[in-house]
Amino acid sequence: NAGVMQNPRHLVRRRGQEARLRCSPMKGHSHVYWYRQLPEEGLKFMVYLQKENIIDESGMPKERFSAEFPKEGPSILRIQQVVRGDSAAYFCASSPPHALSSYNEQFFGPGTRLTVL
Amino acid sequence: DAKTTQPPSMDCAEGRAANLPCNHSTISGNEYVYWYRQIHSQGPQYIIHGLKNNETNEMASLIITEDRKSSTLILPHATLRDTAVYYCIVRAGDKIIQGAQKLVFGQGTRLTINP
Repeated sequence: NAGVMQNPRHLVRRRGQEARLRCSPMKGHSHVYWYRQLPEEGLKFMVYLQKENIIDESGMPKERFSAEFPKEGPSILRIQQVVRGDSAAYFCASSPPHALSSYNEQFFGPGTRLTVL
Repeated sequence: DAKTTQPPSMDCAEGRAANLPCNHSTISGNEYVYWYRQIHSQGPQYIIHGLKNNETNEMASLIITEDRKSSTLILPHATLRDTAVYYCIVRAGDKIIQGAQKLVFGQGTRLTINP
């Protein structure tokens, strides 16, 4: 059973370009979470999605950032017009449907390291 | 979510038990204690969780005080591969509370296992 997959693992963008980060949850998982880790800092929650729905986006910056989790395919975190301050590691996690999990353990992917030049 | 307090760093000799403390004095009745670790920039890894009883799995043991205001994660025989940042997180167990699902990471404890 493959774990959470993220791609690309490393992404380099110039200021003003767009960055698209992909996350494929574990098989059978319908909940996806995105976290960001700035250099030398802890992980910060960004957004929580279920299939085709954003449940909690309280950690998302108000501009330039968006996320989706379509019915088919991976979850996408999209950053428009990137700036140097967006350079960070972006981690995706997934968890199974609530009915199948009593404690909402989250399984993390290896992360995408975004570097903005 | 309740705030947790952990020492910023700890050292432990290889083969000895590593005991990582966590204070969560404002924890409420429906909140669980979770432990995750992050090994050198990898994705965080779930270790263990508990509500009020002590818990043990293949990775670690979790000791929660009777008043639930603090807990200790125990790695019984630490190895070099256990060097990581360990996060103690308190989170509501009620799945229907919106936002309850997110994990709120503090600064954690940087555990170094020495040969």
